[in-house]
Amino acid sequence: GEDVEQSLFLSVREGDSSVINCTYTDSSSTYLYWYKQEPGAGLQLLTYIFSNMDMKQDQRLTVLLNKKDKHLSLRIADTQTGDSAIYFCAETPNQAGTALIFGKGTTLSVSS
Amino acid sequence: DAGVIQSPRHEVTEMGQEVTLRCKPISGHNSLFWYRQTMMRGLELLIYFNNNVPIDDSGMPEDRFSAKMPNASFSTLKIQPSEPRDSAVYFCASTGGTEAFFGQGTRLTVV
Repeated sequence: GEDVEQSLFLSVREGDSSVINCTYTDSSSTYLYWYKQEPGAGLQLLTYIFSNMDMKQDQRLTVLLNKKDKHLSLRIADTQTGDSAIYFCAETPNQAGTALIFGKGTTLSVSS
Repeated sequence: DAGVIQSPRHEVTEMGQEVTLRCKPISGHNSLFWYRQTMMRGLELLIYFNNNVPIDDSGMPEDRFSAKMPNASFSTLKIQPSEPRDSAVYFCASTGGTEAFFGQGTRLTVV
C-alpha cells in the first residue's frame, strides 16, 4: 500500500533555513502536500505541488519534488520561532478529492 | 466561510458509553474525511465520503465505529461502546477538489 516517510525531528536556529524531507512510495501520486500543525490545533495547509512540477515557491516556502526518486522537500527560509510546529507531508493518488495519506510528521524546533 | 467546524472540541466519557462526534464541512465541498490522530499511529484515515456516499471505510477500526453523512452539510462519527484505546484526536476535513481543509479536531478521552 501507499507509504509516506518523514524524519521525526529537526532542530534549527532562528534565521537559518530548514529543510524537511519526505519520501513516498505511490508512483501514481498526483498531488503532494505540506501541512503544519501547531500544538492543540488542526492541520493548516501550507502548500501543495502537482506531480508534473518539480518546484514551487511561495514566499519563504520552497517545495522541491524529485518524482524519479519519489522525494519531496519543504524548505523554510529565514526560519522563525513561530515556525516551530509539526510538519506533515501527504500525498493523494489518482485524482483530487480522494483521501490524503499522511506521513508521521516532522517536529521542527526553532531556537533563538 | 468559517471553515470546517467540529463539535465538541473536547469530550471525556466513561468506557462503554456512546460517543458522537460532529462535523460541518465547508459549503460547496463534496468530499469529507474523518481522521484519527494518536502519538503511536499518527494520522489514520478512518472513512471518506464523496457526495455524501461512503467511498472507503477500510480504516474504520471495528464495528463499534460508524459514520454517516445524511446531507452535504453534516456528518457524524459514532463510537458505541467506547473504549479507553479510542482516546485520540479526531479530525474532519473537506475538499472541493485539490485543497483539503481540516477542522480543529475533537479530543476524545475515554476513561
